[in-house]
Formats: sequence, C-alpha cells, structure tokens
Amino acid sequence: QTVVTQEPSFSVSPGGTVTLTCGLNSGSVSIDSYPSWHQQTPGQPPRTLIYNTNTRSSGVPDRFSGSILGNKAALTITGAQADDECDYYCLLYMGSGNWVFGGGTKLTVL
Amino acid sequence: QVQLVQSGAEVKEPGASVKVSCKASGYTFTGDGYFIFWVRQAPGQGLEWMGWISARTGGTNYAQKFQGRVTITRDTTITTAYMELTRLTSDDTALYYCAKYAASPTFQFDKWGQGTLVTVSS
Repeated sequence: QTVVTQEPSFSVSPGGTVTLTCGLNSGSVSIDSYPSWHQQTPGQPPRTLIYNTNTRSSGVPDRFSGSILGNKAALTITGAQADDECDYYCLLYMGSGNWVFGGGTKLTVL
Repeated sequence: QVQLVQSGAEVKEPGASVKVSCKASGYTFTGDGYFIFWVRQAPGQGLEWMGWISARTGGTNYAQKFQGRVTITRDTTITTAYMELTRLTSDDTALYYCAKYAASPTFQFDKWGQGTLVTVSS
C-alpha cells in the first residue's frame, strides 16, 4: 500500500524559511503526481495554496512556493509569519484515477 | 465567484446511510475537465480522499477503502454533487468536504466547500 509521507511537525522562526516535503514510501514523486499543497487552520476548511507542483492559487502570497526536490514534492515558505502556523497537507495523484493525502505537517512559528 | 455550498450537519445511527450535497455556482458545472472531489477528516485527524465525479460525464472513481460503501452522483440541472455513504459506523464520524478540481491543462484545485459534519452515534 502506497503511503504519502510528510514531516509530522516542523518549527520555523518568524521571518525564517522552511521547506516541507511530501514523499512516497515506495517510489518517487514527480510532476506526473500533480502534487498540490493545502493549508488548514483550526476550524476551517482546507485552502489550496499550490497545485500542479508549483502553481500558486489566486491570492496566495509569493512567499509560498512549490517544487520537486529530489524524489519529493516540496513546499517552501520564506519569511514565515505567525499566521502561517497551521497544518499543511500534500495531495498526490497515484494513477488510475486515485489520489492520496499525506498525513499532514503541523507547522509552528516561534 | 466559484462557490461550493454543502448541506447541513447530520446525525445518524450506526448502520444507517447519509447523503451529503455540494451545490456549485459561479462556473460552468459541466465544463470540460471539471470534477468534484470528496474528502473527509475525522476529529483530530488528517485529510482523506474518498473519490471524485466528473461533472460532465458522471464518471466516478473511489478510494479502495470506501468501495462498496460510497456512491458519488451529480444532478447537472441543479449543479449539485452528492456523496452517499452507507453502513455507517462510529469511525465515519467526520467532517466531509467537497472540492472543485479542474483537470488538464491546469490540474487545479480552486475551491472547497465549508464542510458537513456527520456524526454517527446510537
């Protein structure tokens, strides 16, 4: 069974840069995985930040960027702000019409 | 603007079924390559993809975990998608979200519904 892996938690200082990753327990993430990144604050529905590897959704600041780093998808946040503290989920296409979310990363800004 | 408005909270007994709706507006529901995804989130847990429907063709695909229990449909006349989950157990207590997805060439997720809380309890 394919598992999408994310760091359970990460910490960044205000103004700092952090890169969250999204990998597979077996195999590599590529652009053909159409990775997307979804931000969720407590009590709110998810908000899509990045889709199709590196395209920012409308209204998303350019300090959020997506890429492929090695065999993983990556979400980089530069100039971290207090309100970036929340959960981040990646979603990958597995083929045959199937998609899988990662377990999510809880980001702390302190 | 694109909006997805979901139906209200539900409380169901174990063994029952639930049907959640997702009313779309602000775009051409049956436009080429538009899908509605269904995602759920159990209390304190992460997001879980359940399945999708092609708004144009009605074609569907479901996560293996839910096959045989979930049915996603749509009514193009009222631009609404539905997710029905049967044989409910307490493990199905969760927030259920719909999301709009556009396939090629953009592969874009651009809107989520507000979520529908389904509580399964005797």
